[in-house]
Amino acid sequence: AQTVTQSQPEMSVQEAETVTLSCTYDTSESDYYLFWYKQPPSRQMILVIRQEAYKQQNATENRFSVNFQKAAKSFSLKISDSQLGDAAMYFCAYRSPYNNNDMRFGAGTRLTVKP
Amino acid sequence: GAGVSQTPSNKVTEKGKYVELRCDPISGHTALYWYRQSLGQGPEFLIYFQGTGAADDSGLPNDRFFAVRPEGSVSTLKIQRTERGDSAVYLCASSPGAGNTEAFFGQGTRLTVV
Repeated sequence: AQTVTQSQPEMSVQEAETVTLSCTYDTSESDYYLFWYKQPPSRQMILVIRQEAYKQQNATENRFSVNFQKAAKSFSLKISDSQLGDAAMYFCAYRSPYNNNDMRFGAGTRLTVKP
Repeated sequence: GAGVSQTPSNKVTEKGKYVELRCDPISGHTALYWYRQSLGQGPEFLIYFQGTGAADDSGLPNDRFFAVRPEGSVSTLKIQRTERGDSAVYLCASSPGAGNTEAFFGQGTRLTVV
């Protein structure tokens, strides 16, 4: 079974600075999808960015970008120009196109943004 | 609807009671998922529906947990003889179907068993 590991339970960043959240995963599949979700105190999971494993180019969405290293099974999230509204729990997730499409999540990283 | 709706938002029940948690997915989404999120943890997969059928229920922890989706839209997660360890946030998500489409989440139901 696929596993997702987030080794940073908590991270802190100064407003306007850049922070990188780490994620590694374990899989024997060659094709899959990776996601970063944000969960604010409202509890609703919000998609931040996604990456298809067959694409070598790293995904970018405005201030959010990923560093996808397929051989190393690493999928880190970089947040540039951090804003107070970025403070939340961030979850890395793996989705298999073969195994009923269920999604596996890491344990999360709590991001604090200091003004 | 505009988004995934879950009711109730919060539920407090006594140990041993039966509870039902409802999920109303985005209209037209064929895939529906239930997850359980314990405090300080990531969501844990419970069950996945494709249409009306449970395509994968391998995440249900035991036979006290059951979920249905009789018309391929609204789903109900049912928990019998609740235990204090069942206390968690139960998240529902839906997606248009297979592939790389994202899952859209509801705000969850916080279940507290006292």
